Amino acid sequence: RKEVEQDPGPFNVPEGATVAFNCTYSNSASQSFFWYRQDCRKEPKLLMSVYSSGNEDGRFTAQLNRASQYISLLIRDSKLSDSATYLCVVNNGNQFYFGTGTSLTVIP
Amino acid sequence: SAVISQKPSRDICQRGTSLTIQCQVDSQVTMMFWYRQQPGQSLTLIATANQGSEATYESGFVIDKFPISRPNLTFSTLTVSNMSPEDSSIYLCSVEGDNTGELFFGEGSRLTVL
Repeated sequence: RKEVEQDPGPFNVPEGATVAFNCTYSNSASQSFFWYRQDCRKEPKLLMSVYSSGNEDGRFTAQLNRASQYISLLIRDSKLSDSATYLCVVNNGNQFYFGTGTSLTVIP
Repeated sequence: SAVISQKPSRDICQRGTSLTIQCQVDSQVTMMFWYRQQPGQSLTLIATANQGSEATYESGFVIDKFPISRPNLTFSTLTVSNMSPEDSSIYLCSVEGDNTGELFFGEGSRLTVL
């Protein structure tokens, strides 16, 4: 079983839509969680860390459910500039594990 | 945050040759990580470069194929040896932030092997 699993998509949504991505992880002892954004032909960059209490940054909301071992990312009022691949990343204390990424395209 | 410079940013190489990728960090870090991202795939850890000791390789990666140097706390190199088309990939250098635990990445080195 993979350490981190994501729906690869693609998700094609109109501008202004709300879109949600989920990610599951296999190691219950995982300690820290992140969402990264990767633009085409670019390196991954941190979008936001994910805390047990959930956290929000503008149009982006991240949630962690330790009992079910999943992480979610909600994007409200999608912009064209949100088009990218979103990577779920989990750290088990020894190593970072990456999901395969979810591709999002926001359509005018 | 950490600023990481990688070079070359891209290269096209012939089968059987070797390429060395350099990674420079703007601050001293204990560990530096080398990842590979094959087309359409996510990131896979190749090895952890430790200053003053041999690199730690992940399953499926060996020192003869991917020798790593770590001469000081701000610099590392990864060599892709005896390349084949299957080595065509993006190679990324990374360090972990001290306070936030997040990973910072270099811009990546896009390698194409013909």
